[in-house]
Amino acid sequence: GAGVSQSPSNKVTEKGKDVELRCDPISGHTALYWYRQSLGQGLEFLIYFQGNSAPDKSGLPSDRFSAERTGGSVSTLTIQRTQQEDSAVYLCASSLAPVAGGEQFFGPGTRLTVL
Amino acid sequence: AQKITQTQPGMFVQEKEAVTLDCTYDTSDQSYGLFWYKQPSSGEMIFLIYQGSYDEQNATEGRYSLNFQKARKSANLVISASQLGDSAMYFCAMREVSGSARQLTFGSGTQLTVLP
Repeated sequence: GAGVSQSPSNKVTEKGKDVELRCDPISGHTALYWYRQSLGQGLEFLIYFQGNSAPDKSGLPSDRFSAERTGGSVSTLTIQRTQQEDSAVYLCASSLAPVAGGEQFFGPGTRLTVL
Repeated sequence: AQKITQTQPGMFVQEKEAVTLDCTYDTSDQSYGLFWYKQPSSGEMIFLIYQGSYDEQNATEGRYSLNFQKARKSANLVISASQLGDSAMYFCAMREVSGSARQLTFGSGTQLTVLP
């Protein structure tokens, strides 16, 4: 079946502009995660959605970052007034259930470049 | 403090030989899961293997095995019979079960290069 999809695959923007990144999780997956990967680094957790519960926003680096998940499916990560340090690959993942062994399936990522 | 430590930024191995990628972790939880992911140059994250903290046997998946030493808090990945296609970045990750946190915490990764 279809995996996690993300769009756009690449986004180049100017400093100060807003951007929206989209994630379509695997159908039926109730848990959705956003991570950020800066060049040559590991993944940094941003936000987690589980069903209809309030999201865990503890990883968002500033109030310029926000995310929504509509209808328990598609998620949008919004970065307002982008800065050059926001340049990174933004990865979305989904899983069936947030238990210890629940494998997270990752999308291909969106490479964001802020000029 | 780092929760996941991967001390080898880069590793080289000869094709067909085995290689061990190190991972140590830090948690006070009794229940947690340990994961290894592979990230080729194309960028996708590929799940390799999982070990639960209560699993008594080391996890194995084909050529991948996880050398789990709970008392030492280490979860090293062993790749047997390395292939050229194994060249990639490898990340160790952990999920703690207690509390509400469900995200994975990743190490900084090890870049593995398989030599012909």
